[in-house]
Amino acid sequence: NAGVTQTPKFQVLKTGQSMTLQCAQDMNHNSMYWYRQDPGMGLRLIYYSASEGTTDKGEVPNGYNVSRLNKREFSLRLESAAPSQTSVYFCASSEGPLKLINSPLHFGNGTRLTVT
Amino acid sequence: SQQGEEDPQALSIQEGENATMNCSYKTSINNLQWYRQNSGRGLVHLILIRSNEREKHSGRLRVTLDTSKKSSSLLITASRAADTASYFCATDTTDSWGKLQFGAGTQVVVTP
Repeated sequence: NAGVTQTPKFQVLKTGQSMTLQCAQDMNHNSMYWYRQDPGMGLRLIYYSASEGTTDKGEVPNGYNVSRLNKREFSLRLESAAPSQTSVYFCASSEGPLKLINSPLHFGNGTRLTVT
Repeated sequence: SQQGEEDPQALSIQEGENATMNCSYKTSINNLQWYRQNSGRGLVHLILIRSNEREKHSGRLRVTLDTSKKSSSLLITASRAADTASYFCATDTTDSWGKLQFGAGTQVVVTP
């Protein structure tokens, strides 16, 4: 049981380059999330997908786009990378809000992105 | 500003001792969750406590919730070197369901 799989694990980009971070889950979860983690900042939500076909902005969406390709996959795209986007990116999934209450998140192991 | 804030930021203890960390939050919650993160890995869910619960146990973990003070604590009893990790609280607030908000975490080091 793989859980949440993120690719790539590491990436170095130059300012202005684009890339897509891939995420897939095999737990039949409804909801998927993208977070970024910076030192001393904890995790900040970038985008969220409550269910297939829906996406919603989180706390820090600027500079990112997402695609919920199907129930399993949720990708994060940086169209024009900036040094401020150097971070560790985590994808997570959950059964989804049930009666407006969130179930626990299952996380991937992260993508470490450096933008020079 | 962050919804949840952990205290202390860092904690160093010896094996066998108890570790206590606290989380304060600002707005009403549906539930509060605690997660552990080992170095270089993703977060792992530890325990969820609902707003109408006051205490919850899971193995060597004990979580309390005081909604009147908007605070929670996580106690790890009889700590082991394997408990070395960062611990995060996450709040599920009544005004932003679907979006858990994480604090900055408490870094715990357990020395043999």
